[in-house]
Amino acid sequence: GQQVMQIPQYQHVQEGEDFTTYCNSSTTLSNIQWYKQRPGGHPVFLIQLVKSGEVKKQKRLTFQFGEAKKNSSLHITATQTTDVGTYFCAGPNGNKLVFGAGTILRVKS
Amino acid sequence: DADVTQTPRNRITKTGKRIMLECSQTKGHDRMYWYRQDPGLGLQLIYYSFDVKDINKGEISDGYSVSRQAQAKFSLSLESAIPNQTALYFCATSDARDRPRNEQFFGPGTRLTVL
Repeated sequence: GQQVMQIPQYQHVQEGEDFTTYCNSSTTLSNIQWYKQRPGGHPVFLIQLVKSGEVKKQKRLTFQFGEAKKNSSLHITATQTTDVGTYFCAGPNGNKLVFGAGTILRVKS
Repeated sequence: DADVTQTPRNRITKTGKRIMLECSQTKGHDRMYWYRQDPGLGLQLIYYSFDVKDINKGEISDGYSVSRQAQAKFSLSLESAIPNQTALYFCATSDARDRPRNEQFFGPGTRLTVL
């Protein structure tokens, strides 16, 4: 079945450093979603990318969807302590979503 | 998100016990989901329902059952709990009319421990 892989599993950065998480699908995706889960919290939708090669920005967060629509990335510029949490990508499989395992981000101040 | 509530928030139980986790939503969404979260494994889909008469198995349905009592309520049952069902359980909802976004809204989660 469809698999969505995410790397790295874990990253610990110094506040102010950049951070990137990568998502790869075993199949071509019609779209990809990104969610953030704060420690002790629940996943919250960040964004959806639909078009091949699409790039979207939300303040310090930059989301990209690959040309082949099989991979995506989330880049955070100049991380802050408020960025800590787990970032998940998710791709549709029929009417369901398949989530990646997530990347845990820790920020040292 | 207060629009999706889960009860209980924490539960400790013993092997062999029957457990029910409940989810309610006031968002008016037709689609509801149950996920399980384990460290390093992300969110795995247990069951999902697209309306009151529709129930579908997800990736890891063995050992679980569900009931969609109303559009706003979706319950998850563990008929005979076992220790490897210890996990964080999330309910989520989405709106079939929300195209193409199809964002899922998660409840606060239920932490279940099976001893």
